[in-house]
Amino acid sequence: GQQLNQSPQSMFIQEGEDVSMNCTSSSIFNTWLWYKQDPGEGPVLLIALYKAGELTSNGRLTAQFGITRKDSFLNISASIPSDVGIYFCAGRSGTYKYIFGTGTRLKVLA
Amino acid sequence: DGGITQSPKYLFRKEGQNVTLSCEQNLNHDAMYWYRQDPGQGLRLIYYSQIVNDFQKGDIAEGYSVSREKKESFPLTVTSAQKNPTAFYLCASTIGSRRTQETQYFGPGTRLLVL
Repeated sequence: GQQLNQSPQSMFIQEGEDVSMNCTSSSIFNTWLWYKQDPGEGPVLLIALYKAGELTSNGRLTAQFGITRKDSFLNISASIPSDVGIYFCAGRSGTYKYIFGTGTRLKVLA
Repeated sequence: DGGITQSPKYLFRKEGQNVTLSCEQNLNHDAMYWYRQDPGQGLRLIYYSQIVNDFQKGDIAEGYSVSREKKESFPLTVTSAQKNPTAFYLCASTIGSRRTQETQYFGPGTRLLVL
């Protein structure tokens, strides 16, 4: 099945730094979702995007729905140790099926 | 609390055995999904159900079966035909109305291990 290209695959950053990650698709989506997953737990929804160009924030997190509708970006500002985890993107193109990225593993060094 | 529950959290399967993973939601969602998660890979769709008494195969349905007799419940059976069942299994649900602004929510997951 189709999967989204998500990058970077992993990153180590210092506490207080900003983080950026993105997902790209060969297909057009009408919904982009961003999730965070802790080890052994289910993904938790962070931000949902529904319109091209939409920019949405949730605390220190900001995500954007790309103008081409084929990509999305997630930024985390002033990272803290509890930001550690795996971040997933997911896209939907109008059917019931969601396509997922392979995840970005974030590690924050105190 | 509204949400999705999965049980058990850990499940052990012996060779040749069928096991069933439970998924229950009280969000009044029509659509429910089962995904498999393996290290380093994105979530892969096993089965999904848009409405009671109806379900469709996903990308990796072989060796799995489901039922949807009630709106709240979507159990997944891992059969003996699934030769590599060790994975983390996630259940999810959405309102399912095909509305533009629809969001998918996940349960806490079940880890299946083979003895």
